[in-house]
Amino acid sequence: SQQGEEDPQALSIQEGENATMNCSYKTSINNLQWYRQNSGRGLVHLILIRSNEREKHSGRLRVTLDTSKKSSSLLITASRAADTASYFCATSNYGQNFVFGPGTRLSVLP
Amino acid sequence: DTEVTQTPKHLVMGMTNKKSLKCEQHMGHRAMYWYKQKAKKPPELMFVYSYEKLSINESVPSRFSPECPNSSLLNLHLHALQPEDSALYLCASSQDGIGELFFGEGSRLTVL
Repeated sequence: SQQGEEDPQALSIQEGENATMNCSYKTSINNLQWYRQNSGRGLVHLILIRSNEREKHSGRLRVTLDTSKKSSSLLITASRAADTASYFCATSNYGQNFVFGPGTRLSVLP
Repeated sequence: DTEVTQTPKHLVMGMTNKKSLKCEQHMGHRAMYWYKQKAKKPPELMFVYSYEKLSINESVPSRFSPECPNSSLLNLHLHALQPEDSALYLCASSQDGIGELFFGEGSRLTVL
């Protein structure tokens, strides 16, 4: 069964603005990961946050994790047109099964 | 080498054909995955191999047959597929089955 649920499903912003995407999940997790997918391409790993971590940064990316609410957020600061893509969260629950949420389609307009 | 290589990039096949998708990684990862992705949907797990043994089969129809000849290679044999099987098939690998997944660019399959 699918765990991660992204919100919003689609997001359109202007270049330079910040983009925030949210992910909720249902069961306990070992870690939560965020991936980017350009149209018709493979997924690219962005960042992994472990269940005992609350916040993580990587360049213009900031991820938070609230295990009490079973939710995570991905913030992309100072967005660029090249950030246009679909973003998926994926949860790992100690097994080998990574379950992906439905994704957020981000459009960054120049 | 941090790449996962998938071939072919595109495949068109009839419902009576037999074809195979191939995936290769040279990162020494012990877990390899097949995912299926329909347009505007998330990837859906099909199979997981761990140490060259099938560890997860997500109730995939038998017309899809995975094979892991060695620790670097993963195949997906296709036979008697249906038009609804048309999708992007993604291969991925992971060092330990828990951390980061490395994806290939996918094989776009069209079943006529």
